[in-house]
Amino acid sequence: DVKVTQSSRYLVKRTGEKVFLECVQDMDHENMFWYRQDPGLGLRLIYFSYDVKMKEKGDIPEGYSVSREKKERFSLILESASTNQTSMYLCASSFPSGHTDTQYFGPGTRLTVL
Amino acid sequence: SQKIEQNSEALNIQEGKTATLTCNYTNYSPAYLQWYRQDPGRGPVFLLLIRENEKEKRKERLKVTFDTTLKQSLFHITASQPADSATYLCALGPGGGNKLTFGTGTQLKVEL
Repeated sequence: DVKVTQSSRYLVKRTGEKVFLECVQDMDHENMFWYRQDPGLGLRLIYFSYDVKMKEKGDIPEGYSVSREKKERFSLILESASTNQTSMYLCASSFPSGHTDTQYFGPGTRLTVL
Repeated sequence: SQKIEQNSEALNIQEGKTATLTCNYTNYSPAYLQWYRQDPGRGPVFLLLIRENEKEKRKERLKVTFDTTLKQSLFHITASQPADSATYLCALGPGGGNKLTFGTGTQLKVEL
C-alpha cells in the first residue's frame, strides 16, 4: 500500500521563525511535490523535485525553499515564517510515467503562523 | 494562461440520485484528466483517469466523460450515498516535469 507521510498534522509557529515541513514516501517515486491549499484558491504548487538534489520552482515559490537529499524525503522550508503563510500544506509523490502522473498525497500539515 | 474551472458552489443532492460534477478548461490540450476525492483535513485521493482518446471511463458507481472539443469533463456518481460527501478535484496533465494542474474543487453533499 502506497504511503506518503508528513511530519506534523498541526503546527503553530511565530512570525519570523524558521519552519521545516518534512515529507517521506515509501514508493520509490522520483517526483515529489509541495502544495499549499487555501479556500477558494485550490492547490497551488510551491516547488517540485524530479530527482535527488534537483528542484524546480512551482507557481508560488517566494518565501519557501526545499531540500531533497534522499529520494524518499522532500523538505519544505519557510526561512522566516509570516502570517500569510498560514495554510494547509500538502506533499505528494508520483512515478514519472509521462502517461498518468497520478499523484499520491500525504495527510497534510495545517500550519498556523501567529 | 491555463485555466480550470469547477463549480465553486456546493452541490447538494438526495441519497440515491446521480451527482454530476463539471470540469471545464481553457488554453490547454491535456493528454489526460484525473479526478481526486478530498475529505476535510485530508490529502486528495486519486479516483479515475481518462485519456484524451477516451470518451468515457467507469469504475463501480463512478463514471467520467471527456470531451476535448468542448474542453470539458463530467464526473458522475450514481446511486449516491452520504459517504460520497466530499470535495472532488479535477486535474489535467501532463505539465512540464510531470506536473498536474488542479481545479479548485467542487464540494458534494449527499443528504438522507
